[in-house]
Amino acid sequence: GEDVEQSLFLSVREGDSSVINCTYTDSSSTYLYWYKQEPGAGLQLLTYIFSNMDMKQDQRLTVLLNKKDKHLSLRIADTQTGDSAIYFCAESIGGATNKLIFGTGTLLAVQP
Amino acid sequence: DGGITQSPKYLFRKEGQNVTLSCEQNLNHDAMYWYRQDPGQGLRLIYYSQIVNDFQKGDIAEGYSVSREKKESFPLTVTSAQKNPTAFYLCASSSTDRGRAYEQYFGPGTRLTVT
Repeated sequence: GEDVEQSLFLSVREGDSSVINCTYTDSSSTYLYWYKQEPGAGLQLLTYIFSNMDMKQDQRLTVLLNKKDKHLSLRIADTQTGDSAIYFCAESIGGATNKLIFGTGTLLAVQP
Repeated sequence: DGGITQSPKYLFRKEGQNVTLSCEQNLNHDAMYWYRQDPGQGLRLIYYSQIVNDFQKGDIAEGYSVSREKKESFPLTVTSAQKNPTAFYLCASSSTDRGRAYEQYFGPGTRLTVT
């Protein structure tokens, strides 16, 4: 079945780069997404990548996709304390049903 | 100002009572979704709807019901049959237009506590 895995926790110092990793299982996924969740809030869409792309850059965010290994990563450059949150990756399944499968989330803690 | 609203933000109920969570969107999206989030876990899909007057069960639909009478609204009822209803509930919507990334946009969530 479909499964999306992420490491539970990442701690970095302010100003460093953060890399959050994700592995997924459905090779037919069309899109892969990164969401951010702050405490007690909903999920905020950060970025997404089409499955035929290797990389996508959006300001401080860089997404890398290794389709062969089914590995997705999110790099945050110059990490700030405001980046402290839980980050979820998600893969699309089911084509027109738009269903997403979410990972368990990675808690990013940014130390000042 | 387009977006998704959920109300209330916090909800307290006694065991055995049904409760309805509200979700409204003004993004003109055809598809809407309900997820449940428990501490330390990802999101699990309860129900989804791709068009008015139609909806499908997700992975954990038992003990829940929904309706989709209007495009903008997708209320979720947590019934007394739901064994462990205390959780954070998130509503989302997405476009179904071809050529889009089908990204889902989320509301702020409702935290339900049942005692």
